[in-house]
Formats: sequence, structure tokens, C-alpha cells
Amino acid sequence: DAKTTQPNSMESNEEEPVHLPCNHSTISGTDYIHWYRQLPSQGPEYVIHGLTSNVNNRMASLAIAEDRKSSTLILHRATLRDAAVYYCILGQGGSEKLVFGKGTKLTVNP
Amino acid sequence: NAGVMQNPRHLVRRRGQEARLRCSPMKGHSHVYWYRQLPEEGLKFMVYLQKENIIDESGMPKERFSAEFPKEGPSILRIQQVVRGDSAAYFCASSPNTGRAFFGQGTRLTVV
Repeated sequence: DAKTTQPNSMESNEEEPVHLPCNHSTISGTDYIHWYRQLPSQGPEYVIHGLTSNVNNRMASLAIAEDRKSSTLILHRATLRDAAVYYCILGQGGSEKLVFGKGTKLTVNP
Repeated sequence: NAGVMQNPRHLVRRRGQEARLRCSPMKGHSHVYWYRQLPEEGLKFMVYLQKENIIDESGMPKERFSAEFPKEGPSILRIQQVVRGDSAAYFCASSPNTGRAFFGQGTRLTVV
């Protein structure tokens, strides 16, 4: 399984943008980049995914480097409800298991 | 469309008893995955099932653990003769043929 590297933790202030980085230098040409998050005492929740182009949805944006060896999840205005562990995961985009790393624990300060 | 339903949400078992965890996937989803999260750790894949078939059980412990996804009814993760080390949160996810996975709220198993 391809691996990703994320910082263990990050802090942000409420209503400020947050940029969560992920390195995936061994990504293959067919790997999608998925982001999930897990709020305290909850199951993981899908955030966004992409292949090559930057992606936007109502939750976040995903910026993918041109060489695809890294990506950044962008929360445009952090809220207290965004405090969670964020996981960057590589996958083929089909029906397959997700390989979770340790993720980045995001703390949002009021 | 209800989400992935897991029950019970909390389960307490004495050492040596059996634990049965149930997962009803979202309507129309034919793929079910089970993950385990030990305290203060990340999620680990256990097993991937489609209706009546185990597709990938590479993450399942060799003994005491089994899973099924029958033609009718929920998927079941069964743990026989539980030990304290089985205490964890067990999450089920479902997906359609492609794309994102939808997770349930988990079952928190405590072995006393």
C-alpha cells in the first residue's frame, strides 16, 4: 500500500483558513488522494478526493501538486466543529480497503 | 436514505464470552468493510465483504474472529472467547461499486 506522511498535529483559530499538508512521494499514476476526518467519538467521515486537478466541495478544497507527490486539504474558515483527526489516504478509487495512517489532529481555538 | 447503522453502540462482555457486532449498510451498497480502532490508535482494516462472499480478510486475526454478510440481513462481526485486548471501537463502512466509503458510528466493545 502506498504511504502518506502528515504532521501529527496542527492548530488553527476559529474562522481562519487551515492548510493541512500530505506527502505521498510514492504515489502511482492511478492512485486517487482521499481525505477523511474523524471527529471525537465518531466514525470517519469523507471529506474530499481527487486525482490530478484541484477539487472543491462544500466542505473543503483539495490542492494537488503538479507532480502529485503532495497535496493540501484547505478548510477555508475553520469552525470549532472542524476539530478532528484528518487522514490523507491513497487509493484506486474503486471498492477497496482504506489504509489509515495516524493522521493530523487539528485543534481549533475559539 | 439512512446511513450505515451499527448496533449495539456499546457492548460489554466478560472475558470468554462471545461478541456479535451488527452492521446494516446503506441502501444499495453491496460492499461492507470492518475496521478496528484500539484506544489512542488509528483505524486498522479487518475484512472486506460482498453479499455472501469474503473478498479480503487480510486484517482479520487468525483465531476467534469471523465475519459474514448474508444474502439477507446485516453483516455480522463475531468475536469468540473475547479477551481484554479485544476492547476497541469497531467501525463498519459501506460503499457502492466505486467511490467514497460511508462509515457507521461504531460499536465500542469493552471486555471486563
